[in-house]
Amino acid sequence: AQSVTQLDSQVPVFEEAPVELRCNYSSSVSVYLFWYVQYPNQGLQLLLKYLSGSTLVKGINGFEAEFNKSQTSFHLRKPSVHISDTAEYFCAVSERGSNYKLTFGKGTLLTVNP
Amino acid sequence: DTAVSQTPKYLVTQMGNDKSIKCEQNLGHDTMYWYKQDSKKFLKIMFSYNNKELIINETVPNRFSPKSPDKAHLNLHINSLELGDSAVYFCASSQGSGRASGANVLTFGAGSRLTVL
Repeated sequence: AQSVTQLDSQVPVFEEAPVELRCNYSSSVSVYLFWYVQYPNQGLQLLLKYLSGSTLVKGINGFEAEFNKSQTSFHLRKPSVHISDTAEYFCAVSERGSNYKLTFGKGTLLTVNP
Repeated sequence: DTAVSQTPKYLVTQMGNDKSIKCEQNLGHDTMYWYKQDSKKFLKIMFSYNNKELIINETVPNRFSPKSPDKAHLNLHINSLELGDSAVYFCASSQGSGRASGANVLTFGAGSRLTVL
């Protein structure tokens, strides 16, 4: 069964600083990987996804993530954050060719301070 | 034009009561889900239906019963509510089915916050 570990529960940064949110996964088969964002009192929305092909994927709002198969990681990065990026970020994994089950990590709260 | 809509948004009730949360999607998706988000923000899948057929049923108490009258609707009924049921319940939907289903992006509703007193 697949699992996801988000190594940091909270990441505080200053506005315009770069940020990296870490995600590692575990699975016995090939996977699809996702990052979702949850703004306060809202549902989740997709930031970006890795299905196949280039290991560097770009998403909305200037975010990008890199799939590293050898390290089983899918870290999320942004070179310069804004106050409006303050939100909970969830890494998620599903297994190829199996089922509809998307497993989420426990989330990382990104707080951008002025 | 809400894609995935849930009602009610807030629900406050006493222990032992029975309550329902409704979900509707107008995206034409084949698959719908219920997720539970606890106070620590942890998201766990509860159920999934594909074209009205139950395909995922995680370890959830029998007090929780999903119902899908058609592929655009997935309701959640909870009997004999307990304090530990307090959470935010999210409905979601995704396109497609079959072996590539894991690649599908989920569209989430805004959530229904259930508080059991």
